[in-house]
Amino acid sequence: EIVLTQSPATLSLSPGERATLSCRASQRLSDNLIAWYQQRPGQAPRLLIFGVSSRATGIPDRFSGSGFETDFTLTITRLEPEDFAVYFCQHYGHSVTWTFGHGTKVEMK
Amino acid sequence: EVQLLESGGGLVQPGGSLRLSCAATGFTFSNHAMAWVRQTPGKGLEWVSLIGSVPDYTYYADFVKGRFTISRDNSKNALYLQLSNLRAEDTALYYCAKTPIKDGTNLWECFDSWGQGTLVTVS
Repeated sequence: EIVLTQSPATLSLSPGERATLSCRASQRLSDNLIAWYQQRPGQAPRLLIFGVSSRATGIPDRFSGSGFETDFTLTITRLEPEDFAVYFCQHYGHSVTWTFGHGTKVEMK
Repeated sequence: EVQLLESGGGLVQPGGSLRLSCAATGFTFSNHAMAWVRQTPGKGLEWVSLIGSVPDYTYYADFVKGRFTISRDNSKNALYLQLSNLRAEDTALYYCAKTPIKDGTNLWECFDSWGQGTLVTVS
């Protein structure tokens, strides 16, 4: 069973700063089946990135994803006020399972 | 606009049952695999079950096998989750989620639309 570990748990930044969020897999992933979601308070998760680096429909280009094997990153180049939220990574396994990380909270400093 | 509206949550005693529903609008429901994902403050997001666009294909997380049953009615654009033999640890917000289609291919790897969730409390 693959475990996704996200770090840091909380990231304190100011608007306009760059955010770098990490998602580490417990096993090497030979696929590119990593997705990232944003969840604002009181809202459902929203798909940002799929296939490691493809942006979902309507997602601004300040969001980007990268990585391979065990280390994956979500980068937000210039934080906007609406970007302060919790971010989850997720993997789809070939045994037909979906695994989520526990999230990184991006909070305003 | 895609909309997913869950209902059916509530307070139930351990060992009890509930049936969750998800009404889907704004897309061709029958073309998409659909899933249930739950969320708790302690365990975070957990995938529960998925049903293919063809209802013969159903998948479950190990922790719900034999207790939950996913189904769909494409004529009603509706997704269901029958929860049985409920335990305290099943207490969660249950989301209905849609998988995308890209270039004519069903992508099961992620969930591109989510409802607002329905709360199940087992106590």
